[in-house]
Amino acid sequence: KNEVEQSPQNLTAQEGEFITINCSYSVGISALHWLQQHPGGGIVSLFMLSSGKKKHGRLIATINIQEKHSSLHITASHPRDSAVYICAVNERRNNDMRFGAGTRLTVKP
Amino acid sequence: KAGVTQTPRYLIKTRGQQVTLSCSPISGHRSVSWYQQTPGQGLQFLFEYFSETQRNKGNFPGRFSGRQFSNSRSEMNVSTLELGDSALYLCASSLIPGLAGSLSSYNEQFFGPGTRLTVL
Repeated sequence: KNEVEQSPQNLTAQEGEFITINCSYSVGISALHWLQQHPGGGIVSLFMLSSGKKKHGRLIATINIQEKHSSLHITASHPRDSAVYICAVNERRNNDMRFGAGTRLTVKP
Repeated sequence: KAGVTQTPRYLIKTRGQQVTLSCSPISGHRSVSWYQQTPGQGLQFLFEYFSETQRNKGNFPGRFSGRQFSNSRSEMNVSTLELGDSALYLCASSLIPGLAGSLSSYNEQFFGPGTRLTVL
C-alpha cells in the first residue's frame, strides 16, 4: 500500500466548477506538498504546508494533521488548470519525499 | 533569477549503455534532489545532495549514482541501462535541505523541466 493515496485518479470538470482533490497519508510527516505537472513534464510546487490552510489566487490547500488528510481546492476552474496534481509528503523521520500517484484534471470550456 | 535547468532534455540510449544527466540549481540553492518518474511507479526519490555530499538515497540499485560539484551543480549517472530505466528524471533544488522533522520555506523545492530518457 502506498504511503500517500490520492483521489480521484481522474477528474473532468466544466469551466467554472469548484474542484476538490484529496490526499491521505499513513506516515508521520514534516510537511505536505501539492505539485502541478503539465504535459511535457515540468513540475511546479503549488503549496508546502504543515498545518492549517494556504491560499494562492484560486487555489486553496488545507491539511488536517490529526486525520492525516489534505485537500486541494480550485475555485472557478479554467481549462488552463488542466494538469496532473500530485500530493507529496516529507517523512518526519528522515525527510524523504513520498509521492501520490497523481490526479489528472481536465477542465473543459 | 533563472530556474532549475536540466540537460539534456531528451536522450535515447540502448540497453547496457551508461548515461549522465546534469542539473544546474537556481543560483544560491545548495541542495539538489533527483527523482524518477515512470507510468508504473510514479514519482520516486533517488537521492539528495548538499555541499557535495549525498544526504539521502532512495531505494534504487547501485547502478544509479550521483555527485554534486562545488558550484552546487549535480550529475546523476545510470550504468548498464535496462529497459525499465526509461523514465522522466527530474531534479529539484532548494536553498538548504530540510532537517528531519522540521521544514521551512528555505527547504521548498523548485523543479527542473526533466530529462526524458528512453532505453531501447
